[in-house]
Amino acid sequence: DAGVTQSPTHLIKTRGQQVTLRCSPISGHKSVSWYQQVLGQGPQFIFQYYEKEERGRGNFPDRFSARQFPNYSSELNVNALLLGDSALYLCASSWGNILNTGELFFGEGSRLTVL
Amino acid sequence: GESVGLHLPTLSVQEGDNSIINCAYSNSASDYFIWYKQESGKGPQFIIDIRSNMDKRQGQRVTVLLNKTVKHLSLQIAATQPGDSAVYFCAENTGGYNKLIFGAGTRLAVHP
Repeated sequence: DAGVTQSPTHLIKTRGQQVTLRCSPISGHKSVSWYQQVLGQGPQFIFQYYEKEERGRGNFPDRFSARQFPNYSSELNVNALLLGDSALYLCASSWGNILNTGELFFGEGSRLTVL
Repeated sequence: GESVGLHLPTLSVQEGDNSIINCAYSNSASDYFIWYKQESGKGPQFIIDIRSNMDKRQGQRVTVLLNKTVKHLSLQIAATQPGDSAVYFCAENTGGYNKLIFGAGTRLAVHP
């Protein structure tokens, strides 16, 4: 079975530009979460979506937005990019609330470099 | 804060030895914990999880221990192999939704 898939794997943008990252969850998983991982640190929670609704948001500015589609895939959008947005963006999927269903599986991430 | 510094502690072990990686978590209300392994350039890989109503859980070559009294989590890896070399993160969840708070990470270096 395919795991969580993300695209693109690497991309380079300049300050002020906008970026869209894509994620396909594991088949059957209805929840998608997004995390940002800056080099040398652990991942930080950005959003969770379940059944196309936002269920949680981390401490990130409004420049970050996301959505989930009827097929449970998801997009993360970041506007007005800053140098500090350079990071590995990780998507994770689960059946639902991990407290009930357990396990949160991550994709390999999209490496964003902002110049 | 929710993320910690840039300098990861490193645990160096000999191949075949047992490894113990420790983690102090932040929230006494956390009720679900996961250990992840992350290799360079890859996403975190799920290893094992444990709920707060348990104090020990075993998997294949791995054991997680939870001490809620002192908010401490440990990951034990038996017969460590070179392929176990990676950064290991503990993560806690306080329920409600799938927000995980990750610890600082520990680099495990396995020497032949």
